[in-house]
Amino acid sequence: AQTVTQSQPEMSVQEAETVTLSCTYDTSESDYYLFWYKQPPSRQMILVIRQEAYKQQNATENRFSVNFQKAAKSFSLKISDSQLGDAAMYFCAYKWVPYTGANSKLTFGKGITLSVRP
Amino acid sequence: GAGVSQTPSNKVTEKGKYVELRCDPISGHTALYWYRQSLGQGPEFLIYFQGTGAADDSGLPNDRFFAVRPEGSVSTLKIQRTERGDSAVYLCASRGGPNTGELFFGEGSRLTVL
Repeated sequence: AQTVTQSQPEMSVQEAETVTLSCTYDTSESDYYLFWYKQPPSRQMILVIRQEAYKQQNATENRFSVNFQKAAKSFSLKISDSQLGDAAMYFCAYKWVPYTGANSKLTFGKGITLSVRP
Repeated sequence: GAGVSQTPSNKVTEKGKYVELRCDPISGHTALYWYRQSLGQGPEFLIYFQGTGAADDSGLPNDRFFAVRPEGSVSTLKIQRTERGDSAVYLCASRGGPNTGELFFGEGSRLTVL
């Protein structure tokens, strides 16, 4: 079974600084997708960034980038120039899609609470 | 609608009561998911619909939980004989494209069982 581990329950960063959130996962599959979701107090999960496992290049989305280490099964999120609006819970998630039409359910980690100090 | 809509936003009930939680997905989205998020945890998969049928209900914890999607749009999650351990946020998500596509989540229904 696939598992996703986020071992840091909380992190804090100074506004405008950079922070890295860690995630490891366990799978026997070679082709899968990894995600970081943000969950503000409104509870709505918002996709931050996604990475296809077959792509060697790390994904980037504006101030957000990942460090994907496939052999180590590590998938960390780096937030540059942190803003007050970045404060939220962040979840790492894994998805395996064995064939077209298969259930593409997400497996989530426990999440990490990020606070941003003004 | 513009996004995934879930009602009620909050529900407080007594142990043993019956509860229904509703999800209205993004118009045209054929895939619909229910997840349960307990306090301090990540969301856990409950059930997945492709159209009207439940394609995967392996995450439903027991036979007190049931979900329907009769017309392939709105879905209702039904919980019978609620227990205190059912207290959680129930999240709904929908997807319109291929199964590699993005899931769009609603704001969830917070269920509190007293």
